[in-house]
Amino acid sequence: KAGVTQTPRYLIKTRGQQVTLSCSPISGHRSVSWYQQTPGQGLQFLFEYFSETQRNKGNFPGRFSGRQFSNSRSEMNVSTLELGDSALYLCASSQGNEVTFGSGTRLTVV
Amino acid sequence: DAKTTQPTSMDCAEGRAANLPCNHSTISGNEYVYWYRQIHSQGPQYIIHGLKNNETNEMASLIITEDRKSSTLILPHATLRDTAVYYCIGTLYGGSQGNLIFGKGTKLSVKP
Repeated sequence: KAGVTQTPRYLIKTRGQQVTLSCSPISGHRSVSWYQQTPGQGLQFLFEYFSETQRNKGNFPGRFSGRQFSNSRSEMNVSTLELGDSALYLCASSQGNEVTFGSGTRLTVV
Repeated sequence: DAKTTQPTSMDCAEGRAANLPCNHSTISGNEYVYWYRQIHSQGPQYIIHGLKNNETNEMASLIITEDRKSSTLILPHATLRDTAVYYCIGTLYGGSQGNLIFGKGTKLSVKP
């Protein structure tokens, strides 16, 4: 079966801009979570969506937001980008105890 | 999620068993021990999980001490492709309800 698909794979943005990242979960998976990975902070949980509702949220500023559509696809948005937002953004879809991560979107803010 | 402690790095010779320890002394009775690994610049990959019994699958074995305060992930015949960062996580749901708390993990280097 197809895995978790994240688009785009790489992205370069300028400070102050906003960005939208996309995640298509494994078919049948209703939960989608987002994580940020940086060399300094490691892997950190951003938020989780289940059936179009945010179910859990990590400790990130309001510039980070997300949503989930009726087909379980999810997007996350970062507004007013800062240099420190440069990171690998990972999406994970899950059903029961099965959790599968995508390959991530590498965001560089310049 | 329970706090876990892992060595920062380990080396292993190719073909030998890699034994990766994890301390989770504050794990609660209903929290599972999950192991994930992350190969450079890829998303974390699920390896194995357990509650209190030892577990084995096609990738690895998980040995959990009787008091559940520590566990060991065993890769029986490590290959160069097993070089990765390995994360041990104590969690109720294994990520199925989002918020996995990743620590620094153990960087395993398999050497020829």
